[in-house]
Amino acid sequence: KAGVTQTPRYLIKTRGQQVTLSCSPISGHRSVSWYQQTPGQGLQFLFEYFSETQRNKGNFPGRFSGRQFSNSRSEMNVSTLELGDSALYLCASSLESGKTEAFFGQGTRLTVV
Amino acid sequence: AQSVTQLDSHVSVSEGTPVLLRCNYSSSYSPSLFWYVQHPNKGLQLLLKYTSAATLVKGINGFEAEFKKSETSFHLTKPSAHMSDAAEYFCVDRNYGQNFVFGPGTRLSVLP
Repeated sequence: KAGVTQTPRYLIKTRGQQVTLSCSPISGHRSVSWYQQTPGQGLQFLFEYFSETQRNKGNFPGRFSGRQFSNSRSEMNVSTLELGDSALYLCASSLESGKTEAFFGQGTRLTVV
Repeated sequence: AQSVTQLDSHVSVSEGTPVLLRCNYSSSYSPSLFWYVQHPNKGLQLLLKYTSAATLVKGINGFEAEFKKSETSFHLTKPSAHMSDAAEYFCVDRNYGQNFVFGPGTRLSVLP
């Protein structure tokens, strides 16, 4: 069974640009959640999607948005990039939005210059 | 709000000696607890999970964790550290219908 696939693995963007990150969950998993990881803040929850609906949202500005498609693949978009958005963005896939474990992708390393 | 505390930001052990990584949770409900490991520039790998079936949970690579409700703890142990265990370890709590709440992480160093 294929794992969680995140693309691209690395990105370099300029301040003010926008970026879209993609996540393909494990086949059959309907829940996809996104996390931002930085040395200073650790792992912070961005949002979770389940069956194309946003279930939960973390405390991030509106520049961060996401969506989920009918095949459960998810995209995350960040507009008007700031230097502080440089981070490892991790996607996690779960069977359902409950107490089940999540399986993580290898992440997308975003660098904003 | 639920929170997870990992008491040590860095633990250093010698190869072949026991590992203890401490975790305390704050949930007032029955928690769903996990330990994940992250090697440099990698995603998170699930080590083990507690879902109330048994208080002592065995995971991969020889790790295990014991759930102690009276102490609100879920410490991770391994009898004998290996060089390949050097990584960052995260204790995680997840309530039904909620997102994962991560502890700050403990960096494990294994000395030869």
